[in-house]
Amino acid sequence: EVQLVESGGGLVQPGGSLRLSCAASGFTFSTYSMNWVRQAPGKGLEWVSYISSSSSTIYYTDSVKGRFTISRDNAKNSLYLQMNSLRDDDTAVYYCARSAFFQWYFDYWGQGTLVTVSS
Amino acid sequence: EIVLTQSPGTLSLSPGERATLSCRASQSSSNSLAWYQQKPGQAPRLLIYGASSRATGIPDRFSGSGSGTDFTLTISRLGPEDFAVYYCQQYGSSPFTFGPGTKVDIK
Repeated sequence: EVQLVESGGGLVQPGGSLRLSCAASGFTFSTYSMNWVRQAPGKGLEWVSYISSSSSTIYYTDSVKGRFTISRDNAKNSLYLQMNSLRDDDTAVYYCARSAFFQWYFDYWGQGTLVTVSS
Repeated sequence: EIVLTQSPGTLSLSPGERATLSCRASQSSSNSLAWYQQKPGQAPRLLIYGASSRATGIPDRFSGSGSGTDFTLTISRLGPEDFAVYYCQQYGSSPFTFGPGTKVDIK
């Protein structure tokens, strides 16, 4: 059974940093591309970042470029999102989502971790 | 960036009725269009990919159609578990944008 479990969310002040993790199991993690998708309270879904299986290709949405860094450790079956210079509008539930094999839609999602940016 | 528009914003229907949800793209995404269902407090669930292919385990009352810029998700007969928010997503080009969602609620 595919499982994605996020952790690392919490309350952080504006300008602060946080590192999210996603532990994957139930599939060969090293062969799948992965993503972070977020959802602000009461709002819709926003794709944040993508990383290919070998980390050779990385994309970000414009609003997080230069502030967020996606990475992965295939030996540990883990995905990460380093978030720096956090702003109020980064407050959201952050989901880890698997890209379908050689595709760019998301076939499995974690339950999410809440990041709250507030003073 | 491809902008997706979904209509209507809210659809009020009774169980057993047919639901038709629309998603329009600002430019062609070919058939690189997916649909997701999200219930309160839950993660989204993939329903449809490639505009018309059902994901694993999705009942056949869910169907997708369309190509280019106009897409439709149809739920042939609404079950009580189908009342939720539905999002379309294009994955033809980065950024992989979502529509604002259509809420299907009980009339």
